Amino acid sequence: EVQLVQSGAEVKKPGESLMISCETSGYSFTTYCIGWVRQMPGKGLEWMGIIYPGDSDTRYSPSFQGQVTISADKSISTAYVQWSSLRASDTAIYFCARAAAAGRHDAFDIWGQGTMVTVSS
Amino acid sequence: QSALTQPASVSGSPGQSITISCTGTSSDLGGYNYVSWYQQHPGKAPKLMIYDVSNRPSGVSNRFSGSKSGNTASLTISGLQAEDEAYYYCSSYTSTSTVVFGGGTRLTVL
Repeated sequence: EVQLVQSGAEVKKPGESLMISCETSGYSFTTYCIGWVRQMPGKGLEWMGIIYPGDSDTRYSPSFQGQVTISADKSISTAYVQWSSLRASDTAIYFCARAAAAGRHDAFDIWGQGTMVTVSS
Repeated sequence: QSALTQPASVSGSPGQSITISCTGTSSDLGGYNYVSWYQQHPGKAPKLMIYDVSNRPSGVSNRFSGSKSGNTASLTISGLQAEDEAYYYCSSYTSTSTVVFGGGTRLTVL
């Protein structure tokens, strides 16, 4: 069974750094890209970016370029998104998701359970 | 890049059919047949319902169908059921090799 299991909820202060993870299992990690999606409280889905774990090729939405860093560790089949300096506006649920087809990143068929990140002073 | 445009809400009675529209531009939805639709129940992760404009993943009911004309895609749900009440989001591949979501549509089953 293909599974994406995300790290637990985080409560941070503005200016702090953070890395959340997405541990995958049940398929070849390097074959499919992993994406990250933000959902702010009461709002819709926002595509943040993706990584192809096989070669670490990344693509970012213009809204998130320079704001977050997406990475992956092939040795443990895990993807990450990190912030160097959090803002209150980063408060949201963050989902990781696996691409529905190898070599593509336009649709996600398997999703993690979401990680709630709260940034508050 | 701007979000795709969806109606904020639609509603229908059990057994009826409803259609949710999703409008983009020639740089995203109109330029590629890579349109997807997701269903999200409150507090849950999204679920892929349609990909490549009109294809259903295994396990998705054939009551869900998708289509596209020009810069507008549509999701149709026939034989509406109470369990279909949820938020629906469209998404499209873009000319910058990224993906953009729609703002989401709340479906109410009356």
